[in-house]
Amino acid sequence: GQQLNQSPQSMFIQEGEDVSMNCTSSSIFNTWLWYKQEPGEGPVLLIALYKAGELTSNGRLTAQFGITRKDSFLNISASIPSDVGIYFCAGQLNTGNQFYFGTGTSLTVIP
Amino acid sequence: DAGVIQSPRHEVTEMGQEVTLRCKPISGHDYLFWYRQTMMRGLELLIYFNNNVPIDDSGMPEDRFSAKMPNASFSTLKIQPSEPRDSAVYFCASRRGLGYGYTFGSGTRLTVV
Repeated sequence: GQQLNQSPQSMFIQEGEDVSMNCTSSSIFNTWLWYKQEPGEGPVLLIALYKAGELTSNGRLTAQFGITRKDSFLNISASIPSDVGIYFCAGQLNTGNQFYFGTGTSLTVIP
Repeated sequence: DAGVIQSPRHEVTEMGQEVTLRCKPISGHDYLFWYRQTMMRGLELLIYFNNNVPIDDSGMPEDRFSAKMPNASFSTLKIQPSEPRDSAVYFCASRRGLGYGYTFGSGTRLTVV
């Protein structure tokens, strides 16, 4: 399967700080997704990206589809305690029907 | 919209027993996916269906695993016989067409002792 590397693996930040994380692949994807997973629940879709260079926001979250189509970025501004969770990227190949998931970034927000 | 519904939420079973996990996708979604999540391996795709037909089952770890989708509103993942290394959280997800992301269920946490 495809390898998607997310970094950082974990983050501990103070409430109010901005957060940046990224996802890289050796393959070219035609769609990137960002999910958030809270303990005991399934991943929830945050943002979907469909075009290279696309920048999309969802409230305090902003994600970008990398120009090379091999990476994507997620930023969270002014973090709050409820942002705690694991954030996953997922990419879909031109030729496929499935999404491949990254290894996840665990976010802890300290009040 | 009730979302993707999985049952049971938790299952504890003894090694060697048969386990059946159930999933009801969102109405109108034509793709259904079964994933397994562990700390070591993350989210792994086991199998997916399109219009109730299995398309890719290359992720099914062994013959002990089988999945069916008898109609558009129901799918099962069966493990027989179960082993301790099958302990994981199993997620079902559905999507409408190729241009959309998945919607995940809340998962079934399986513990095989």
